[in-house]
Amino acid sequence: AQTVTQSQPEMSVQEAETVTLSCTYDTSESNYYLFWYKQPPSRQMILVIRQEAYKQQNATENRFSVNFQKAAKSFSLKISDSQLGDTAMYFCAFMKGLQGAQKLVFGQGTRLTINP
Amino acid sequence: SAVISQKPSRDICQRGTSLTIQCQVDSQVTMMFWYRQQPGQSLTLIATANQGSEATYESGFVIDKFPISRPNLTFSTLTVSNMSPEDSSIYLCSVEGGSQTSTDTQYFGPGTRLTVL
Repeated sequence: AQTVTQSQPEMSVQEAETVTLSCTYDTSESNYYLFWYKQPPSRQMILVIRQEAYKQQNATENRFSVNFQKAAKSFSLKISDSQLGDTAMYFCAFMKGLQGAQKLVFGQGTRLTINP
Repeated sequence: SAVISQKPSRDICQRGTSLTIQCQVDSQVTMMFWYRQQPGQSLTLIATANQGSEATYESGFVIDKFPISRPNLTFSTLTVSNMSPEDSSIYLCSVEGGSQTSTDTQYFGPGTRLTVL
């Protein structure tokens, strides 16, 4: 079974700083996808970024980028120039790259607070 | 991307009663999923809602407790039956695969916060 581990329950940084959230996973699959989702107090789960395991290039979305280390099974999220609106729970998630409906397996989350 | 709505957004229910949660998408999607998020916890998949067939349940979840319907490609319901305080959670639907959504990526609705007294 796949597992996802987020070792930082909480983090706090000042606005405009850069912050990195850690995520490790365990799988025997060779084809899979990794995601970071953001859940603000409104509780809506918002997709932040997506990475295909077969792609060596790290995904980026504006201020958000990942450091994907496949051999180490590590998938960290870097938020640059952090903003107050980045305050939220961040969940790392894994999905098998198989045909048909595949579930997301989530880590326990990191509560990120951006301070003014 | 697709616009996903859920009704109700929140509810407070008495133990022993049932609540049906609706998930509506503004475009056709292949797959719909129902997740539970217990207080202070991460998300756990309850079941995959298949259009035209029975839902597929994860270990620990049963149809009698969480009956699911998927009558078409834009709508699904999850019922939480015979509720107890342990059912107090956020219930979220997600969708994957359609003209407005990428495959191999799930997009979530706003969630339903359920409190059982």
